[in-house]
Amino acid sequence: ILNVEQSPQSLHVQEGDSTNFTCSFPSSNFYALHWYRWETAKSPEALFVMTLNGDEKKKGRISATLNTKEGYSYLYIKGSQPEDSATYLCASTTSGTYKYIFGTGTRLKVLA
Amino acid sequence: DAGVIQSPRHEVTEMGQEVTLRCKPISGHDYLFWYRQTMMRGLELLIYFNNNVPIDDSGMPEDRFSAKMPNASFSTLKIQPSEPRDSAVYFCASSLSGKGTEAFFGQGTRLTVV
Repeated sequence: ILNVEQSPQSLHVQEGDSTNFTCSFPSSNFYALHWYRWETAKSPEALFVMTLNGDEKKKGRISATLNTKEGYSYLYIKGSQPEDSATYLCASTTSGTYKYIFGTGTRLKVLA
Repeated sequence: DAGVIQSPRHEVTEMGQEVTLRCKPISGHDYLFWYRQTMMRGLELLIYFNNNVPIDDSGMPEDRFSAKMPNASFSTLKIQPSEPRDSAVYFCASSLSGKGTEAFFGQGTRLTVV
């Protein structure tokens, strides 16, 4: 994998459903993996930064896992609420460059 | 800290005009990034600076684009001459070096070139 890729591109779920999406990133020279939440007309806000293989982070109903050897991360949302509707971005940074390369995001819509 | 501050928030200009976007990073941050958001490509990294020095400008689309960081608290992205296809939202972000740190984004500048 040469670029940061996210799937699915968009997702509609019912309120109360749990959901997850995937971020794939280059595993060579890995430095850190970032998840951001981006609401319409606002700027992206950081959710998690993960650096170690096997890392798991949690914030309320949202959690994330990291596999640096195979180059993927999952973001989970438990019991989705309408206010979770946003675009979820992941970004990878590689050692030596420290530049954040973003995926194109997963657009989540939670239906009430 | 007020966060990353960008100006203007909105800019409408005519094709061929020069456009300058401004960014004030968070005080103490040593990395600054300029991104362009488009429907097709999402967030594209245009250029980034470390300690005011441009490190990688490979994302700058053409010679019409230039960026400067004259000091630690100010950066500009200039487009001259502007074209309709430059219409997009331009974001500036800053971060502190070190593992486990995050980038903080400004509110963006929505540029429309007519």
